Amino acid sequence: DAKTTQPNSMESNEEEPVHLPCNHSTISGTDYIHWYRQLPSQGPEYVIHGLTSNVNNRMASLAIAEDRKSSTLILHRATLRDAAVYYCILRRADSWGKLQFGAGTQVVVTP
Amino acid sequence: EAGVTQFPSHSVIEKGQTVTLRCDPISGHDNLYWYRRVMGKEIKFLLHFVKESKQDESGMPNNRFLAERTGGTYSTLKVQPAELEDSGVYFCASSSNGGLLGTDTQYFGPGTRLTVL
Repeated sequence: DAKTTQPNSMESNEEEPVHLPCNHSTISGTDYIHWYRQLPSQGPEYVIHGLTSNVNNRMASLAIAEDRKSSTLILHRATLRDAAVYYCILRRADSWGKLQFGAGTQVVVTP
Repeated sequence: EAGVTQFPSHSVIEKGQTVTLRCDPISGHDNLYWYRRVMGKEIKFLLHFVKESKQDESGMPNNRFLAERTGGTYSTLKVQPAELEDSGVYFCASSSNGGLLGTDTQYFGPGTRLTVL
C-alpha cells in the first residue's frame, strides 16, 4: 500500500488557519485520501476524504495537488479543541476497509 | 444515535491471565474493525468483520488473540494468555457500507486500555 509522509508536529495560534501537508508520491489512481484525527484520550475520528477534487466540509477543507502526490488539510480557524494528532491515510478503492495509520502530525494550538 | 462503545475502559491483568474486550458497534453497521496501539507505536489494524464473518484478519499478531462476532452484532476480542507486550489501547470501529470503494467512514470507540503486569 502507498505510504504517506507528514511532519511530526505543527503549532498554530487560536483562530488562525492551519495547513497540514501530506506527501503521498506513490499514490495510485484509485487511492482515496482520507484524514482522521485523534483527540487526547479518544479514538480516532473521521475528518474528510477526497479523490481528485478539493473537498470542503464543516470541519475542514482538503486541497489535493493536481498530480495527487500531495495534499493539504486546512483547518480554517483553529480552536483549542482542534489540538490532536492528524493522520493522512490512503485507502484503495478495492480494499476491504482497513485504515493504515502512520505517525501523524501533532497539532498544538496556542491561545 | 449511540456511537461505538467499548468495555471495559481499562483493564489491568497479570501476565498469563485472560482478558476479554467487548465492542458494540453503531446499530446497523455491518463492518466492525479492531485496531490497537501498543506503547510508542502507531495504531495498527487487527481484523475486520463483515457481519459475523472475518473478512480480513491479517493484522492479528498470533493465536493468543481470538475475535468473535456472534450474530453480527457486538464483538469480543479475547487475549489468552496475555503477555507483557499486549499492553496498549485497543480500539474498535464500525462502518455502514461494504468498504469496497475505499470511501466508508469508520467510527471509532474510545478504546480499552489494557495493562499487562
